[in-house]
Amino acid sequence: SAVISQKPSRDICQRGTSLTIQCQVDSQVTMMFWYRQQPGQSLTLIATANQGSEATYESGFVIDKFPISRPNLTFSTLTVSNMSPEDSSIYLCSVEGGHSSYNEQFFGPGTRLTVL
Amino acid sequence: AQSVAQPEDQVNVAEGNPLTVKCTYSVSGNPYLFWYVQYPNRGLQFLLKYITGDNLVKGSYGFEAEFNKSQTSFHLKKPSALVSDSALYFCAVRDREYGNNRLAFGKGNQVVVIP
Repeated sequence: SAVISQKPSRDICQRGTSLTIQCQVDSQVTMMFWYRQQPGQSLTLIATANQGSEATYESGFVIDKFPISRPNLTFSTLTVSNMSPEDSSIYLCSVEGGHSSYNEQFFGPGTRLTVL
Repeated sequence: AQSVAQPEDQVNVAEGNPLTVKCTYSVSGNPYLFWYVQYPNRGLQFLLKYITGDNLVKGSYGFEAEFNKSQTSFHLKKPSALVSDSALYFCAVRDREYGNNRLAFGKGNQVVVIP
């Protein structure tokens, strides 16, 4: 299994500002994923981030709002831009446990974001 | 398309009694199925998965799940619940379509084990 850390663990931000969330993995992984978990809701995939290429965004999510960087095989960042209260969520990064589609994903502890 | 339904919002069970958390899925082809648990203020932890073979899958912390293709279900079970099992449980599915790395999660079930 992979050990994943995220920074910050939580933050309270003002409307209109941006926050960058960092995700660090203890091993090299090909694919990293960013999810959003809104209060009382399930996990929704925001985007898939591969090293050396543009992130692939899911329907309803755009790069201008959620720019992602993937500079190497152990690190990724997600920025939540021009925040509004509706962006208040837990943001989680995850990685695949292997190279096959039947491998489980391992998740970081999450970043709890509150936008005022 | 792939999706998961977890019909109950909350499951209450007395400590020592059997615990069941229900999950049904929908995929175009054949599924890979997963269960995760989320404790308060923690990330998701992997419990178990079904890939192929034996329909009864055993996982962490004494949990097991049974794959039923005809009913498109993958219910999570534990013979004797502990208070420490109180958490949020998510079922997830991935269609075996080549190149599909997306997981679809259910809405989650809050499990409350009563001492």
